[in-house]
Amino acid sequence: NAGVTQTPKFQVLKTGQSMTLQCAQDMNHNSMYWYRQDPGMGLRLIYYSASEGTTDKGEVPNGYNVSRLNKREFSLRLESAAPSQTSVYFCASSATGAPYNEQFFGPGTRLTVL
Amino acid sequence: GNSVTQMEGPVTLSEEAFLTINCTYTATGYPSLFWYVQYPGEGLQLLLKATKADDKGSNKGFEATYRKETTSFHLEKGSVQVSDSAVYFCALSDSSNTGKLIFGQGTTLQVKP
Repeated sequence: NAGVTQTPKFQVLKTGQSMTLQCAQDMNHNSMYWYRQDPGMGLRLIYYSASEGTTDKGEVPNGYNVSRLNKREFSLRLESAAPSQTSVYFCASSATGAPYNEQFFGPGTRLTVL
Repeated sequence: GNSVTQMEGPVTLSEEAFLTINCTYTATGYPSLFWYVQYPGEGLQLLLKATKADDKGSNKGFEATYRKETTSFHLEKGSVQVSDSAVYFCALSDSSNTGKLIFGQGTTLQVKP
């Protein structure tokens, strides 16, 4: 039982390049989330998927797109990377979107955009 | 809108000292409140939670009580260990069925032997 896995662990991009961050969970969870973590700002929600087949914007969606490929997988795409997107990205999942549910986090992807 | 404010760090303590990390929130309705911990190089993991007023969450010697009258959820531990060195995040989830978390900025705790 791996929990939440993310690939890659590290990535360096040049401005304007594109990439997809992959996330998968093996806990049969319905809800999945993408956050970014920046110094002094905690984690901020980029996009979420409350259930398979749905996606919605979070607090900071600009410059990103997501795909809920199936119940297990939720990918985050940067179409044209910018230095402001240098951050650590975390994927998380929870059993449902109920407010009392624990979220389980992946190990993160550290992205640098030059 | 909803928000969470944590005391600024870093907090540096000696082993066996008492720990308090303050957290206050602004939210409509009745949010659930959480403390997550991030050890160096890892993702976040749930430390404790409380889902209604006056609930006390506890785990690994840490405690926090959901105080609606003061909109607070302060984290406490009676005797910290070096292994408690980490970043601690207070978070809330509002009453919508989306599970979205709003985080405080995080507080770094360093415990010295």
